[in-house]
Amino acid sequence: SQELEQSPQSLIVQEGKNLTINCTSSKTLYGLYWYKQKYGEGLIFLMMLQKGGEEKSHEKITAKLDEKKQQSSLHITASQPSHAGIYLCGADGPYSGGSNYKLTFGKGTLLTVNP
Amino acid sequence: KAGVTQTPRYLIKTRGQQVTLSCSPISGHRSVSWYQQTPGQGLQFLFEYFSETQRNKGNFPGRFSGRQFSNSRSEMNVSTLELGDSALYLCASSRFDRRGSADTQYFGPGTRLTVL
Repeated sequence: SQELEQSPQSLIVQEGKNLTINCTSSKTLYGLYWYKQKYGEGLIFLMMLQKGGEEKSHEKITAKLDEKKQQSSLHITASQPSHAGIYLCGADGPYSGGSNYKLTFGKGTLLTVNP
Repeated sequence: KAGVTQTPRYLIKTRGQQVTLSCSPISGHRSVSWYQQTPGQGLQFLFEYFSETQRNKGNFPGRFSGRQFSNSRSEMNVSTLELGDSALYLCASSRFDRRGSADTQYFGPGTRLTVL
């Protein structure tokens, strides 16, 4: 099964600083999703990447999928307290059409932004 | 457009009881997936329904079951509750069957289940 490793597990930054969260897969990524979660709440969709080398941005958050499609990074520029939360990457597996297909998630990165 | 809704938001049960959770997907979405989230295991896939049929199932015991109705609303049932079933249960909806293409899943706020 596909494994997703996120690093770091937790991160504390000062407001205004830049930061990067990584998501590494044991297999080729066919679809990579980034979500944000406030503790005990649902996941908020941030971005989806599919093509090797693809990069997407939304406000101050940029996500990239490397050429080999086995690693993605999430970069936040000039962090704000509103960026605090748990960031999760999720990945689609190969489209085998089999009955065991599922979306896999990393364990998450807890981001704290100190004012 | 309204988002994914889940009811109830909080639930307290005792061991041995059963529980039913409900999920209403985004209008027009036909796929509903269920996940269990715990601090130790993270987010784990339970099952996916599309057009009233279970398409995929995770590695959970048979005590966990679900169904989907013709209006795409879905319910999840857990029978003979155990302490370890305490978790945040999340449902997510997408337009298409997940085996066919990469399609964004939108999550509900979750149901917090506590088993005493």
